[in-house]
Amino acid sequence: AQSVAQPEDQVNVAEGNPLTVKCTYSVSGNPYLFWYVQYPNRGLQFLLKYITGDNLVKGSYGFEAEFNKSQTSFHLKKPSALVSDSALYFCAVRDMTGFKTIFGAGTRLFVKA
Amino acid sequence: AAGVIQSPRHLIKEKRETATLKCYPIPRHDTVYWYQQGPGQDPQFLISFYEKMQSDKGSIPDRFSAQQFSDYHSELNMSSLELGDSALYFCASNSRRGSLYGYTFGSGTRLTVV
Repeated sequence: AQSVAQPEDQVNVAEGNPLTVKCTYSVSGNPYLFWYVQYPNRGLQFLLKYITGDNLVKGSYGFEAEFNKSQTSFHLKKPSALVSDSALYFCAVRDMTGFKTIFGAGTRLFVKA
Repeated sequence: AAGVIQSPRHLIKEKRETATLKCYPIPRHDTVYWYQQGPGQDPQFLISFYEKMQSDKGSIPDRFSAQQFSDYHSELNMSSLELGDSALYFCASNSRRGSLYGYTFGSGTRLTVV
């Protein structure tokens, strides 16, 4: 079965520092991996996705994610965090039917000024 | 623990018919979000409600409407259905006060328009 795991409930970083939000996955076959962000009281917004190609994927708002097949990871990164990046981040994998997206439990990111 | 409940699980409708999907949030959650995911596509945010008022709007077609009721459950009403409306419709809920916590997804309603 397809699944994703986000091992950290919460990540705290200082503004200006690099941030990493971790995600590991378990899939059979080629993974379709995604990151979404939910700002307070807003709907989910798409950040980026990996389907094939370069292992480093660049997305919205300066975020990027690195696909690592040997470690089955898809960590979200940003070189310099902003206070406005504080939100809930979801890693997701599309299931084999392509019909359903399986979300991780989410990681809360707090960026302090 | 209670989860987000959606009904029905599956629904088959003909073109031009109407459909109503229901979402029951986790107890004490006051905010509901609706998403649409077509086959092979990414989830798209449709609309959200807080305390029975629309709080955010995404790419919801004019043929669709939604509302939240006093018990916080929400219904997505879809009229003049088109083949392209075939998708998984899932909802999520959380508590506005703790909006960075407890965001929970339902399993979805799979709508097939024939």
